[in-house]
Amino acid sequence: DAGITQSPRYKITETGRQVTLMCHQTWSHSYMFWYRQDLGHGLRLIYYSAAADITDKGEVPDGYVVSRSKTENFPLTLESATRSQTSVYFCASSETQGYGYTFGSGTRLTVV
Amino acid sequence: GDSVTQMEGPVTLSEEAFLTINCTYTATGYPSLFWYVQYPGEGLQLLLKATKADDKGSNKGFEATYRKETTSFHLEKGSVQVSDSAVYFCALSRENSGYALNFGKGTSLLVTP
Repeated sequence: DAGITQSPRYKITETGRQVTLMCHQTWSHSYMFWYRQDLGHGLRLIYYSAAADITDKGEVPDGYVVSRSKTENFPLTLESATRSQTSVYFCASSETQGYGYTFGSGTRLTVV
Repeated sequence: GDSVTQMEGPVTLSEEAFLTINCTYTATGYPSLFWYVQYPGEGLQLLLKATKADDKGSNKGFEATYRKETTSFHLEKGSVQVSDSAVYFCALSRENSGYALNFGKGTSLLVTP
C-alpha cells in the first residue's frame, strides 16, 4: 500500500536498552523527518534527511541515531533508552516544501 | 532562530460559532506556512498551506492568509462543527533547514453541541 508506515505502533522498553523505530515510505520522497510529541512542547524535530546517506540534526538529537541507506527507509535508534525519551514519535516525508508533509500514524514509546 | 507562537488553548466553542486561532512567526527570509490538524489518537494531517505573502490557504471551510507585514497566519472558520474538535498546529518551513517543519505548541479546540 502506498503511504508512510511506522512500526511498531506501541513499544514498552526498559531503561538502558537499545530500541529502533522504523519508518517506511513508498513515494520515493527525498525528505524525511523524525519528530517527538510531548505535552507542553508540541512537536520537536529530532533528525531530518534530505536524501539517502544525508542526515542532519534537529532541535533535540541527543540520545538518538538515524541512518538512511535507502530512500524509502529512515529508522530512528535510541542507543540507551532513558525515561525522558518516553514520547510519541512521528515520522514524516516530503518531496518539496511546497507540497506539505505526510505523517505516519506515530509510535508511542514508553521507557520504564 | 525560527519560531512559531500560537494562542494557548484549550478553546471551547459552541457548534456554528466563529473560530479564530492566532499564529505568529519569527523567521528570516520567506518561509512557507502551514496548518496541521491532529484528531485524537491520530497523526497530523495537512489542513492548508501558503507559500508566499498574501496567499490564502483554504480547505474544509478553514482559511488562513499569509501576512508578511504582521508575520501572522491566523486560522479561521465561519461555522465550526463538533467534528472539528482536534488539536491545531501552525508551522513554518524554510529551505535552509532541509524543509523541516518548525511547529507551534498546538491549540486544542473543543466544539460542543
